[in-house]
Amino acid sequence: GAGVSQSPSNKVTEKGKDVELRCDPISGHTALYWYRQSLGQGLEFLIYFQGNSAPDKSGLPSDRFSAERTGGSVSTLTIQRTQQEDSAVYLCASSLAGAGYNEQFFGPGTRLTVL
Amino acid sequence: KQEVTQIPAALSVPEGENLVLNCSFTDSAIYNLQWFRQDPGKGLTSLLLIQSSQREQTSGRLNASLDKSSGRSTLYIAASQPGDSATYLCAVKIYNQGGKLIFGQGTELSVKP
Repeated sequence: GAGVSQSPSNKVTEKGKDVELRCDPISGHTALYWYRQSLGQGLEFLIYFQGNSAPDKSGLPSDRFSAERTGGSVSTLTIQRTQQEDSAVYLCASSLAGAGYNEQFFGPGTRLTVL
Repeated sequence: KQEVTQIPAALSVPEGENLVLNCSFTDSAIYNLQWFRQDPGKGLTSLLLIQSSQREQTSGRLNASLDKSSGRSTLYIAASQPGDSATYLCAVKIYNQGGKLIFGQGTELSVKP
């Protein structure tokens, strides 16, 4: 079946602009995660959605970052007033459920470059 | 705070050699540990998932072990091939932290023909 998909694959933007990144999880997966991979910081957790529960936003680096998940499926990560330090690869993952023993499956990522 | 460390950071071996990648973690209260492969410019491919109650998992030429009490995992690759060249990441899912994974910095493997 189809895996996790993300769009766009690459995004170049100017400092100060807003960007939206999209994630389509595997059908039937109730848990969805966003991570960020940057050269200096490695792979970091950003936010986690589990069903209809309130999301775990503990990894968001600033209030310029937000995410939503509509209808328990597609998720959008929004970065407002982008800064150069936001340049990174943003990875989305999904699993059958969240906390517990389930495997996470990752999408190909969106490479964001802020000029 | 959970910390995950991978040693070595980089490894270069000739084709055909058996090799071991190491992963250590500081908090043993984990659900599971996952090993991933990442090719340049690509996402993560899950290789093996070891639940906290398990000692090892095998898939083809790959074998991963887990010693939860000592906070260690190893990924053994038998008869390495140039196509195994990639970055290998380990990650743990810990109790009371929702479902998020904590990642190591990765080992960059190069297998020379």
